Amino acid sequence: QKEAEQNSGPLSVPEGAIASLNCTYSDRGSQSFFWYRQYSGKSPELIMFIYSNGDKEDGRFTAQLNKASQYVSLLIRDSQPSDSATYLCAVTSGTYKYIFGTGTRLKVLA
Amino acid sequence: GAGVSQSPSNKVTEKGKDVELRCDPISGHTALYWYRQRLGQGLEFLIYFQGNSAPDKSGLPSDRFSAERTGESVSTLTIQRTQQEDSAVYLCASTRARESGANVLTFGAGSRLTVL
Repeated sequence: QKEAEQNSGPLSVPEGAIASLNCTYSDRGSQSFFWYRQYSGKSPELIMFIYSNGDKEDGRFTAQLNKASQYVSLLIRDSQPSDSATYLCAVTSGTYKYIFGTGTRLKVLA
Repeated sequence: GAGVSQSPSNKVTEKGKDVELRCDPISGHTALYWYRQRLGQGLEFLIYFQGNSAPDKSGLPSDRFSAERTGESVSTLTIQRTQQEDSAVYLCASTRARESGANVLTFGAGSRLTVL
């Protein structure tokens, strides 16, 4: 069964620090990788996606993809209390099936 | 529309009643998904529609659950004879489903179902 695994957390980081969130996936044929943020009581919203090995930066967020090791990471620089949320990774293998991780809860301490 | 629209946003019903949840996807999005998210849990795939193709119903948990979509328009998810275990947020998402490139799922705000 295709899976995406995340540590459920909570991951606690002080304000201004770098938060590092990881996701490992089982399907070596996976092609597209997404990070979503979900605030409590809200629906998931896209942060960024990546489909090439290496890093992709967008503001304070950096996605890192390593297909050989089958993991994708999200780094959040200068973490803010407003970043406190659950972060979901999602993986697709070119089909319509999105495999979601169960999410990592991030707490940024002021 | 500008976003994925879901209604009702909240529904409280009595055990045994039928409920219908509605999703209006983003205009031009051919693919539509329904997910269930129980409190504190991850996303559980329910059903997928792509244009006029046969839907993938493999995630529907029982025959009490059904969904319809006509073409690339509105979808309805129906739960018959609701049980307390059906209490959850039901999320709808849509995407363009292009053959190449990353197809980003856009979620609606969800319909929170509470079965008493």
